[in-house]
Amino acid sequence: GDSVTQTEGQVALSEEDFLTIHCNYSASGYPTLFWYVQYPGEGPQLLFRASRDKEKGSSRGFEATYDKGTTSFHLRKASVQESDSAVYYCALRSYGSSGNKLIFGIGTLLSVKP
Amino acid sequence: EAAVTQSPRNKVAVTGGKVTLSCNQTNNHNNMYWYRQDTGHGLRLIHYSYGAGSTEKGDIPDGYKASRPSQENFSLILELATPSQTSVYFCASGTGNYAEQFFGPGTRLTVL
Repeated sequence: GDSVTQTEGQVALSEEDFLTIHCNYSASGYPTLFWYVQYPGEGPQLLFRASRDKEKGSSRGFEATYDKGTTSFHLRKASVQESDSAVYYCALRSYGSSGNKLIFGIGTLLSVKP
Repeated sequence: EAAVTQSPRNKVAVTGGKVTLSCNQTNNHNNMYWYRQDTGHGLRLIHYSYGAGSTEKGDIPDGYKASRPSQENFSLILELATPSQTSVYFCASGTGNYAEQFFGPGTRLTVL
């Protein structure tokens, strides 16, 4: 079945560091891909999405490019801030016989030190 | 004016007891979802619904039931709670067109 793999369970950075969180997916066709962010004490919220090969999604200084060739949607930010500390989830929209649903990766906890 | 609310926010239950988690949405979305969040597993889908009166099994439905009595409300029911069901539970709503989902703040459930 469809799946999402996030290889980093935790990432610890200092302010102004460059961030990369890796996301690879397994699915047929061109699934819509998402990044969600979850701040402490809150539910996840959509950061951005992308639906086509080479499409770039971006928001709040974060960006990711849909790469069909490498089946990847890596999250990047040039200069992180302490306020970016959160859990980040990569997800894909799965089209199945039981309907559409989101499949989430395990999440990456980002901690940014001032 | 939060669009997806959950109650209670925290719950302590005893093994074998019945637990009901409630969710209300004011987005007027047809689809609603229940997830549990556990370290190392991310968010996993328990049950979902396409509208009032409908419920569907998600990826980990065992030990859980769901009820959708109206467009706005979606409940998750643990008839016989077990310690393995200790987790944080999230409800979400969505239109289904782009699958974007809007999450509530979560319920932390501890089963002793």
